[in-house]
This record gives sequence, C-alpha cells and structure tokens, in this order.
Amino acid sequence: DTEVTQTPKHLVMGMTNKKSLKCEQHMGHRAMYWYKQKAKKPPELMFVYSYEKLSINESVPSRFSPECPNSSLLNLHLHALQPEDSALYLCASSQDLRDSPLHFGNGTRLTVT
Amino acid sequence: GDSVTQMEGPVTLSEEAFLTINCTYTATGYPSLFWYVQYPGEGLQLLLKATKADDKGSNKGFEATYRKETTSFHLEKGSVQVSDSAVYFCALGTGSNAGNMLTFGGGTRLMVKP
Repeated sequence: DTEVTQTPKHLVMGMTNKKSLKCEQHMGHRAMYWYKQKAKKPPELMFVYSYEKLSINESVPSRFSPECPNSSLLNLHLHALQPEDSALYLCASSQDLRDSPLHFGNGTRLTVT
Repeated sequence: GDSVTQMEGPVTLSEEAFLTINCTYTATGYPSLFWYVQYPGEGLQLLLKATKADDKGSNKGFEATYRKETTSFHLEKGSVQVSDSAVYFCALGTGSNAGNMLTFGGGTRLMVKP
C-alpha cells in the first residue's frame, strides 16, 4: 500500500471544466512534488513544494495551478485543459530536500475530452 | 545537464532467469542513484538506492552497485519471477534546498514468462 494517497483515481473532464487533483501524505515529509507521466514515458517534474512554499515550477502552463494548504496536502487545480494534457498525474513526497527517495502515490489518470 | 540512459526494452525472460538492466548516467557533482519499479496501473515504488560510490543497494532479491568509475548503476536479480513483470526506471537525484530533483531514464519494460 502506498503512503501517498491521491484522489480521484480517474478523472474525465471537458476543456472548459475546472477540476482539482488531491494528494495527501502523513509521513511528516516536508517536500511534495507533482509529476506528469505520458504513456510509455518516464515521469516529468512539474512542481516542487518545500516547507509549503513553491520552490520549483518547471515552466508549466498556467492552466495548471498548484496549491499546498498545509504540510500534508497538495492540490493541483486544472482549468481550460487541452486533450494533450491527458496523462497520469503523480504526486510524491520526500523527507527532506537532499538525497531522500521520493515516495509516489498511485496517480490520477486524467482524460481531457 | 544530468542524464540517465537505460537499455531499451522490452526485456523478455523465462521464470528463474538472471536479470540485468543496464543504467549509465551523466551528472555533475555527486548524485544519489535510485531504481524505481512501476507495476501496471500504479505509481512508482522505490526499489533500491545508493547514495555514494561503491554503495550497493538491495531489496527483494534485486541489487545494484554505484560505480563511479563507469558511471553505472546496473540492476540485477539472480532469479526473476512472473510477479517481477513491470517497468523499471533508473534515476539520479541531485538534492538541493529547492527539492530532490530526480532525473529518470526512459524506463525498461520487463516481461517474465512462466
């Protein structure tokens, strides 16, 4: 069982919809991450939060908006997405910012119609 | 910049065969090295790690040794099982005050047949 919980597991949304992906961890980790994974590809980093502050944004389009309400929660708000944004969105956390392995959730499978 | 190169798959083996998945890296500084495994429909699970040269990571019968002289971190298992069928990702991590940045290889799909 993964210790990083993501909801929903699957999401289908139209291009005009607004939706949010949620991620939760209770391991006391202070760094949290959003990754995007296309089929048969490795994960690509989108955002990093450290101590609840956004520390890295990998030039992600503004239609993706991350939020870290507290040290255990990480959200990804979606608005006006394109079909090419369809992918598996993975959340991860790590104990600190150096050398710690990342613990991944099982992801949200997003389909944009 | 940092990069990780893995052997392309799929790798198809019979049960109880010996497994090697090659991984080489290019990095500045002294990265940590990881192997992650992804089963169908799931996220990535950490399989093993090594944080410095000559360290050996091991877990569930899998092993990998951090070889600085050859910039490699090859994954091995002496006897694979059908349940090992998955995609395996080699990754290097360069921690900083901003986050533990992982650079992934392209992934290698392993299929084990009974």
